[in-house]
Amino acid sequence: AQKVTQAQTEISVVEKEDVTLDCVYETRDTTYYLFWYKQPPSGELVFLIRRNSFDEQNEISGRYSWNFQKSTSSFNFTITASQVVDSAVYFCALSLSGGYQKVTFGTGTKLQVIP
Amino acid sequence: GAVVSQHPSRVICKSGTSVKIECRSLDFQATTMFWYRQFPKQSLMLMATSNEGSKATYEQGVEKDKFLINHASLTLSTLTVTSAHPEDSSFYICSARVDRLANYGYTFGSGTRLTVV
Repeated sequence: AQKVTQAQTEISVVEKEDVTLDCVYETRDTTYYLFWYKQPPSGELVFLIRRNSFDEQNEISGRYSWNFQKSTSSFNFTITASQVVDSAVYFCALSLSGGYQKVTFGTGTKLQVIP
Repeated sequence: GAVVSQHPSRVICKSGTSVKIECRSLDFQATTMFWYRQFPKQSLMLMATSNEGSKATYEQGVEKDKFLINHASLTLSTLTVTSAHPEDSSFYICSARVDRLANYGYTFGSGTRLTVV
């Protein structure tokens, strides 16, 4: 069975600070996908990134960056120069490859960016 | 592209009544749709996987007779909460895998907030 752990339940930062959201996963499979989703107060889930288990390259997209380390089974998400609009619940998730696999979500980290 | 339209966004119903939630894929065909439930301040828990033209696969502990899923076409999946009770009050959200989305990803509906009174 797969498991995704987000140890940080809630984080508060002041605007313009950098913040890192931690994600640790467990799976016995060698091929899998990792995701990050953003859930603003309105409830919809916004896709941020997908990472293949064979691709450990870190990725940067604007103020967002992701650090994937298979050795520690971690897929951390960093927001630089945080903004109030970044306030949301962020979910890390995992799915196995092959066919239409279900997505296993972590418990989420609520980020509050204070002006 | 890759939009899943979910309706209604909010619904309030009386105990004992049934509620139908629809999810439509607008610009792609969704062979498989996933249904999740999210209680306040909790994560998304998969309820069932629906496949077009066949029976849904339910997760352990989910009552299939209470949560009826129909996936009659490649663009429509429905979840019916039958004989709803206050404990069924939750946020329900559907999802479909989209192969062309960032090499592939999952797109989600906007969710349905169900309140049973």
